[in-house]
Amino acid sequence: DAMVIQNPRYQVTQFGKPVTLSCSQTLNHNVMYWYQQKSSQAPKLLFHYYDKDFNNEADTPDNFQSRRPNTSFCFLDIRSPGLGDAAMYLCATSRDFEGDTQYFGPGTRLTVL
Amino acid sequence: AQSVTQLDSQVPVFEEAPVELRCNYSSSVSVYLFWYVQYPNQGLQLLLKYLSGSTLVKGINGFEAEFNKSQTSFHLRKPSVHISDTAEYFCAVSANAGGTSYGKLTFGQGTILTVHP
Repeated sequence: DAMVIQNPRYQVTQFGKPVTLSCSQTLNHNVMYWYQQKSSQAPKLLFHYYDKDFNNEADTPDNFQSRRPNTSFCFLDIRSPGLGDAAMYLCATSRDFEGDTQYFGPGTRLTVL
Repeated sequence: AQSVTQLDSQVPVFEEAPVELRCNYSSSVSVYLFWYVQYPNQGLQLLLKYLSGSTLVKGINGFEAEFNKSQTSFHLRKPSVHISDTAEYFCAVSANAGGTSYGKLTFGQGTILTVHP
């Protein structure tokens, strides 16, 4: 039944050690999004893909990268995690853009030691 | 650009009481409006959305919301809450820009609803 799957659910990494978070979807949606949600804050969009077209938000740090090798999978790479990158990372998908519902995965909680 | 203000950061309420979570938005273009719910350590789940048409929108779990264009509001209501409604609720807006936007959601800061027995 799971439609948007994120792995792992919890990730612990060390300061500066690269980490990759994974998202997959069974909805065959065109759009995939990555959000960062810090404690007690609203989700903040980092970037999205429409099919293979990548769109980075203007204020997303260069430390964050993404890959979408096919329709079903999308990865978030954090090249050198800092303490300030500790957060919940949410993946979402939508069929298309305007007005379409975004379906969220359960999130990956990243801890940086 | 759009912005969303959720007027209450926390709302405590007793079980079976009615509740209203308030949301105001600002935008220079027409918008689509959404309410999402987030349970602890989980992703967001859509409760309801307003795209066009009737300003009263009914969603899942007995929630409804009313779009008020003149007051730029989209308040969420439930006539009788349950313990299981305890969660954080996010109001969100995206631009209705005639196909030129990419559906970017701008979220409010969230309202934590706590239902007490």
